Amino acid sequence: QQQVKQSPQSLIVQKGGISIINCAYENTAFDYFPWYQQFPGKGPALLIAIRPDVSEKKEGRFTISFNKSAKQFSLHIMDSQPGDSATYFCAASGKTSGSRLTFGEGTQLTVNP
Amino acid sequence: DTGVSQNPRHKITKRGQNVTFRCDPISEHNRLYWYRQTLGQGPEFLTYFQNEAQLEKSRLLSDRFSAERPKGSFSTLEIQRTEQGDSAMYLCASSPPTISGNTIYFGEGSWLTVV
Repeated sequence: QQQVKQSPQSLIVQKGGISIINCAYENTAFDYFPWYQQFPGKGPALLIAIRPDVSEKKEGRFTISFNKSAKQFSLHIMDSQPGDSATYFCAASGKTSGSRLTFGEGTQLTVNP
Repeated sequence: DTGVSQNPRHKITKRGQNVTFRCDPISEHNRLYWYRQTLGQGPEFLTYFQNEAQLEKSRLLSDRFSAERPKGSFSTLEIQRTEQGDSAMYLCASSPPTISGNTIYFGEGSWLTVV
């Protein structure tokens, strides 16, 4: 059962543009929503995370928007750079799941120079 | 800066052989996780430890898979009688002790190819 659905599967953006990746979850017990960035041959690296008590969190060029009622959250990458080209995964975890993460399917982002 | 360390990074084995992967978590992280990732997919949870206790195992973890964390420090993941479907990247991760919503740090992964 896929508990976190991510879209789009792939995304191509021009340098300087805004990249937007969306995720939807089903389990209302989830209370922690991180985004991970993964380069080929590497492990996922935490990018930014949010809890449901806030609707938005910003760190540098990266922003998470969270809509609790819709059970959706999204990652916005402002001023996208070629170095941002990677696969991005949303994830979710909750108290009842021992903090183990349930991942989305991933979005392959390509930022053209 | 010592992150999560995994060994070996790559392993090619013949079908039917046993393989073992080792994970050294970040110091003082009491939680340790194993995930499996195949190409084009997100990581899938396999199992996790809190200290030396294995608290949860996914249904993905068949009887051929066994994980241990004998002293609450490093962990091993053994796959017995490997099958071609076991080919994947095996990721280890660790997190510090908190109630929930831990920041989970991943290692670089161990690639397994079963031929």
